Amino acid sequence: AQSVTQLGSHVSVSEGALVLLRCNYSSSVPPYLFWYVQYPNQGLQLLLKYTSAATLVKGINDFEAEFKKSETSFHLTKPSAHMSDAAEYFCAVSSLMDTGRRALTFGSGTRLQVQP
Amino acid sequence: EPEVTQTPSHQVTQMGQEVILRCVPISNHLYFYWYRQILGQKVEFLVSFYNNEISEKSEIFDDQFSVERPDGSNFTLKIRSTKLEDSAMYFCASEMADTQYFGPGTRLTVL
Repeated sequence: AQSVTQLGSHVSVSEGALVLLRCNYSSSVPPYLFWYVQYPNQGLQLLLKYTSAATLVKGINDFEAEFKKSETSFHLTKPSAHMSDAAEYFCAVSSLMDTGRRALTFGSGTRLQVQP
Repeated sequence: EPEVTQTPSHQVTQMGQEVILRCVPISNHLYFYWYRQILGQKVEFLVSFYNNEISEKSEIFDDQFSVERPDGSNFTLKIRSTKLEDSAMYFCASEMADTQYFGPGTRLTVL
């Protein structure tokens, strides 16, 4: 079984400050890992993904995440927060199904607030 | 840029009624999924669909649920007899290159 733990349901940072959203995963097979962002009343937008290539992954809007197998982590960072980054962020791990396709298992989400 | 679309954006129904949620996946994608998110809870996998049949389904996806791709473009989720606990946001996703792209969701409210 796969699982994802996101530490901190709410994170608040000042505009211009570093953003760090934590994600730890559990997987019995090599995982695929994803970060999605959800703005109010909208769907899930892919930020970035790790699929066993480079461990440091860059995504949209200057977000990046580093896959650390030894720590089973995939934390999301951004050097400088912008007001428009305020949203809910979901970490997800791909579960390998019998068919070879992968259903996503999501974490509980972290709501990011950006203070002016 | 191609995107997944879903209709309606909001559906209100009475308990016991049937509802059909519609999705139009991205046109060259072959794998399709339904997920749901009960208010304040995690996004949960319901079912995956490939080559006109269900690939996998979760424990949530019981006999009250069904999916089909009736015309080669739409992908539907039917709930035969809605319960109060079916109230949730339902997301459709289609997959390419091991990445799932999500639609904006349908908010289902069961009264």
